[in-house]
Amino acid sequence: DAKTTQPPSMDCAEGRAANLPCNHSTISGNEYVYWYRQIHSQGPQYIIHGLKNNETNEMASLIITEDRKSSTLILPHATLRDTAVYYCIVRVRSGGFKTIFGAGTRLFVKA
Amino acid sequence: GAVVSQHPSRVICKSGTSVKIECRSLDFQATTMFWYRQFPKKSLMLMATSNEGSKATYEQGVEKDKFLINHASLTLSTLTVTSAHPEDSSFYICSAMTGKGADEQFFGPGTRLTVL
Repeated sequence: DAKTTQPPSMDCAEGRAANLPCNHSTISGNEYVYWYRQIHSQGPQYIIHGLKNNETNEMASLIITEDRKSSTLILPHATLRDTAVYYCIVRVRSGGFKTIFGAGTRLFVKA
Repeated sequence: GAVVSQHPSRVICKSGTSVKIECRSLDFQATTMFWYRQFPKKSLMLMATSNEGSKATYEQGVEKDKFLINHASLTLSTLTVTSAHPEDSSFYICSAMTGKGADEQFFGPGTRLTVL
């Protein structure tokens, strides 16, 4: 079973920041938080991952709480092309891991 | 990032026939590949883990004789849906990882299977 809980859907205005929350209260010390997104009828796309520090790349920022029980993915300036299902996943980073997908959050970016 | 391809991108077949889907890592060697199935408006469901040169490990509830997986080389894994039926119609997605230390997982574009 997936170890994360996400809201089923969210709306965001184009140009605004999209903040997608994720709860992972049972995360283990060696598990990372990963975010993927899936645009309709395509394979999942990697966005970002982190262990305990906040991370930023060209796509997004990842904020992980100090107790690591929750995190937030931030798309700083959402565009219509960011409309997708966003999956928050926790897993170890090596040694035969399996990526188990939960239901994800369906983000609608509106003009 | 690394590129994973799938072929075909979509296939329509008659009930009772077998369909083979290929998953290739184009610019890296994948010691492990995963196969997922996704029904409309649902999340991805892991079907099996495929390691190069060994038998695949299937998730609970997935019939290994129905979904044959072969990972014969470090760049190719195949999923064969045997004696396909309309309920096997789905979006099949593969992913691959390199197996070197801290690994990332790269997903293919998916294959849409429709069984008539």
